[in-house]
Amino acid sequence: DTAVSQTPKYLVTQMGNDKSIKCEQNLGHDTMYWYKQDSKKFLKIMFSYNNKELIINETVPNRFSPKSPDKAHLNLHINSLELGDSAVYFCASSRELAGVAYNEQFFGPGTRLTVL
Amino acid sequence: LAKTTQPISMDSYEGQEVNITCSHNNIATNDYITWYQQFPSQGPRFIIQGYKTKVTNEVASLFIPADRKSSTLSLPRVSLSDTAVYYCLDGSSNTGKLIFGQGTTLQVKP
Repeated sequence: DTAVSQTPKYLVTQMGNDKSIKCEQNLGHDTMYWYKQDSKKFLKIMFSYNNKELIINETVPNRFSPKSPDKAHLNLHINSLELGDSAVYFCASSRELAGVAYNEQFFGPGTRLTVL
Repeated sequence: LAKTTQPISMDSYEGQEVNITCSHNNIATNDYITWYQQFPSQGPRFIIQGYKTKVTNEVASLFIPADRKSSTLSLPRVSLSDTAVYYCLDGSSNTGKLIFGQGTTLQVKP
């Protein structure tokens, strides 16, 4: 069984469009995350979502918005896509907030977004 | 802002021990240090985590000095399948400052 799954795996779209990436975890974790990995392989956290509390990396444009229908899902919605949004987006989950205690993050397989 | 730096790439041969060091210039008192492994077209996978001194599990050891300004991931007797990108991580997600290093690409040669 897949622990953290994302759909779609690949997403190709035009500038200006709005798109969503879905993420689901079946681990019973309380915290979920979205990361962006650029072409240079830098991994940057975008959001973490814990018990309905959203913690935002202040560098993330407000065109990006996470939406959590329930604890097992954290979807990423992107408005007015730009060329610079092209990257691989990873969803992750952990039992508690990462970094503050022994707490492993489980990553999804990634969604490669290409904006033309 | 927490910042981690690590070598961009390293080469090794099968059977050797590999040590990858990461600097944690602005690590906070409560932050843990974590290392992840990433294969092409996959998400990162947890390797090991520690706060200070030495931690060992079935795949790696992690050395953290008393000042916690650096950490060293040690992979004993690497094999070809250990070829991957290795990331160090510090910071805390409760402040939105979870910082991955730029990753070290380890190439293991036969």
